[in-house]
Amino acid sequence: NAGVMQNPRHLVRRRGQEARLRCSPMKGHSHVYWYRQLPEEGLKFMVYLQKENIIDESGMPKERFSAEFPKEGPSILRIQQVVRGDSAAYFCASSQRTGLATNEKLFFGSGTQLSVL
Amino acid sequence: QQQVKQSPQSLIVQKGGISIINCAYENTAFDYFPWYQQFPGKGPALLIAIRPDVSEKKEGRFTISFNKSAKQFSLHIMDSQPGDSATYFCAAKTYNFNKFYFGSGTKLNVKP
Repeated sequence: NAGVMQNPRHLVRRRGQEARLRCSPMKGHSHVYWYRQLPEEGLKFMVYLQKENIIDESGMPKERFSAEFPKEGPSILRIQQVVRGDSAAYFCASSQRTGLATNEKLFFGSGTQLSVL
Repeated sequence: QQQVKQSPQSLIVQKGGISIINCAYENTAFDYFPWYQQFPGKGPALLIAIRPDVSEKKEGRFTISFNKSAKQFSLHIMDSQPGDSATYFCAAKTYNFNKFYFGSGTKLNVKP
């Protein structure tokens, strides 16, 4: 049972290019979350998605950033026209569907380290 | 505003000592409080979690203490080992919404 898979592991982009980060959740998980982490800092929530729906995007910048989780295929975090300040580690996490249980676990991928030159 | 406040930012403990990391929250609707452990270059991994109907949960050398009235919870690592050196995050979520709020992290260094 593979865990949360993120690719690429490292991504280098020049300013103005687009960055596409992919996340395949754990098998059976229908909720995906994206977090951003700067060096020596905590995890900042960006967006929470279910299949074909954005549940909460309150942590995502309104411009240049978008996320999707299609019916088929991985979740994609897209950053257009990247700037140096976008350099960070981006983590994806997944969980099972929201139900009556309150102790649903979050499983993280190993992250994508984005470096903008 | 930060929903979960974590302290200290960094912690140095001698091998065999007790590591204590504290978190505080404001939202009384939170009802699930996990702790995550992150090693350099890796994603966070669930370490231990607690619900507010108990005041303490222990798993091996790791214990969560929960104080509902004070809206605080803490992680205690007994007999700390160099292999415990990592960054620890507390988190919280509400009953009916799967959005997790994370603390700012504590970098633990256990000296041999």
